[in-house]
Amino acid sequence: DAKTTQPNSMESNEEEPVHLPCNHSTISGTDYIHWYRQLPSQGPEYVIHGLTSNVNNRMASLAIAEDRKSSTLILHRATLRDAAVYYCILRDVVMGSARQLTFGSGTQLTVLP
Amino acid sequence: NAGVTQTPKFQVLKTGQSMTLQCAQDMNHNSMYWYRQDPGMGLRLIYYSASEGTTDKGEVPNGYNVSRLNKREFSLRLESAAPSQTSVYFCASSSRTSGHYEQYFGPGTRLTVT
Repeated sequence: DAKTTQPNSMESNEEEPVHLPCNHSTISGTDYIHWYRQLPSQGPEYVIHGLTSNVNNRMASLAIAEDRKSSTLILHRATLRDAAVYYCILRDVVMGSARQLTFGSGTQLTVLP
Repeated sequence: NAGVTQTPKFQVLKTGQSMTLQCAQDMNHNSMYWYRQDPGMGLRLIYYSASEGTTDKGEVPNGYNVSRLNKREFSLRLESAAPSQTSVYFCASSSRTSGHYEQYFGPGTRLTVT
């Protein structure tokens, strides 16, 4: 699997937008970009995924660079509950086949009140 | 829906003891997974089951066995526990019909081996 690079930690103020970057310069054409987050003492939680186009859902937005070598997870209005470790994961998904997720060390997001 | 449930939540074992971690999902998912997470690190895959009746090794399978009992349940067994297996264990599941894009995780089992 291609490797991702994320900052170890970031801080944000409550109710402000947060942009979490991820570099993946060796991404292949069939790699999907997934984001998961892990709140303290909980299992990881799916946030969003995309291939080439920007994606939005109720939790966040995913902005993917045109060359796909980087992406940004956007939390539009951070709350204290968003404090977590955020993982950017590349995964070559073949329909009908289970594939493991390869977790790196992620970005620890701290939200300040 | 309870989602993915795991038992027990906590366990302390002595070196050489055996135990089975239980996992069940009520989402009718085809695939199930076992991961471990060591302090300050990301998760690593131990075993997975793409569908009922099949299991495959992941990144760190040594010292573990698994059983896909039925579509709902996937258990992880430590035959002879070692201190290096002290970790938090997470079970997850995903659905073929949604392309396995989302994995749903349980709350974890915290295992300490002394």
